[in-house]
Amino acid sequence: QSVLTQPPSVSGTPGQRVTITCSGSNSNIGINYVYWYQQVPGMAPKLLIFRNNLRPSGVPDRFSGSKSGTSASLAISGLRSDDEADYYCAGWDDGLSGPLFGGGTKLTVL
Amino acid sequence: EVQLVESGGIVVQPGRSLRLSCVASGFTFDDYTMHWVRQVPGKGLEWVSLITWDGLTTYYADSVKGRFTISRDNTRNSLYLLMNNLRLDDSALYFCAQGSLYSGTYRSPHYDHWGRGTQVTVSS
Repeated sequence: QSVLTQPPSVSGTPGQRVTITCSGSNSNIGINYVYWYQQVPGMAPKLLIFRNNLRPSGVPDRFSGSKSGTSASLAISGLRSDDEADYYCAGWDDGLSGPLFGGGTKLTVL
Repeated sequence: EVQLVESGGIVVQPGRSLRLSCVASGFTFDDYTMHWVRQVPGKGLEWVSLITWDGLTTYYADSVKGRFTISRDNTRNSLYLLMNNLRLDDSALYFCAQGSLYSGTYRSPHYDHWGRGTQVTVSS
């Protein structure tokens, strides 16, 4: 079964560094790029990271992505209150012949 | 400024049909693969379908295959989703999203721009 697994929630205090993981398989993360999206409730998702570790223009370098094997991570450093949102990983799945999203991780800034 | 504006979402009975539309502006529409992504309020994102820039290639999630049809009219800068035989679990906010440029691979969940979504509620 093709799934991307994320922790349901993570939390941190302002200024701290947090990491969100995304676990996949050889049909998705293992052979394709990983993307990360941030979604504030009531808004459309926003692209944070593309092709594993690249940031679109305008995304602060506090956000960084990495990939190793069939897993990927999103790191957020210098945590701010406005980072509080849901975060989704995504990747193309060759088995499904379509994109796959992780279940999402809710980030709470304490 | 890129804009994607979805419309067509309503309350509909199970088994009925519905067509969603997405009008694009601010970019060369026929250069891009386009996608539909849906989200049940309070839940995660689910990819629904994609159509390449030329309309020749389409893909569907297993959950909608055989019931939904994606299409586009490049002369009208418009993307469509025809949804037949709607089920209760098709209820969601449907987003239109700009995918990859024609020169790159369409096999990518790279969405630089999203619409605000249109709500579909399937209820008896």
